[in-house]
Amino acid sequence: DIQMTQSPSTLSASVGDRVTITCRASQSISIWLAWYQQKPGKAPKLLMYKASSLESGVPSRFTGSGSGTEFTLTISSLQPDDFATYFCQQYSNYLVSFGGGTKVEMK
Amino acid sequence: QVQLQQSGPGLVKTSETLSLTCTVSGGSINSFYWSWIRQSAGKGLEWIGRVYSSGITNYIPSLESRLTMSLDTSKTQVSLRLKSVTAADTAVYYCATAGAGGAFDIWGPGTVVTVSS
Repeated sequence: DIQMTQSPSTLSASVGDRVTITCRASQSISIWLAWYQQKPGKAPKLLMYKASSLESGVPSRFTGSGSGTEFTLTISSLQPDDFATYFCQQYSNYLVSFGGGTKVEMK
Repeated sequence: QVQLQQSGPGLVKTSETLSLTCTVSGGSINSFYWSWIRQSAGKGLEWIGRVYSSGITNYIPSLESRLTMSLDTSKTQVSLRLKSVTAADTAVYYCATAGAGGAFDIWGPGTVVTVSS
């Protein structure tokens, strides 16, 4: 099984801040990584796929990078709607796995 | 545009079988593969398995002996059955499907399932 580790688990930030979330895979997953945003009581929403491809309709302030075992999701200027929990997910292996999540909260 | 609607009981007794359905609209059930993902209260997401349009399935090893996923193409439904449930199976269960990019771009709204005696 491929383990996905996200850091930090919680991040306190203010509107306008640049925010970076890291995801590490226990073995190489090439670029087969996705990022999701989840708000309370809602299903996750896809933000990025193939590590750096922006899903249609997602604001360009979200960027993804990385390959192999280390990946980042960056929000260039945090907006009020961005306070949420973010998950990474690998789909390199037929057994899909998610990271533990990063909660972005208001400072 | 594909949309997913979920149905199933919110309360299941310990040791019984959990049955959930995901109804597909706006697209062909044969065009994709379908996954189930669950999330325990305050915890992360756990992918538990997928069913292809061919009927081939993949399950996580820890649930393989208790889990069955299937398609009903006439009803455009994807089904999940998890037998012998315990409190550890209490979670929100989502159905989802992957787009061309391979990631889960369409999700159902989720079904809250509580297992209790």
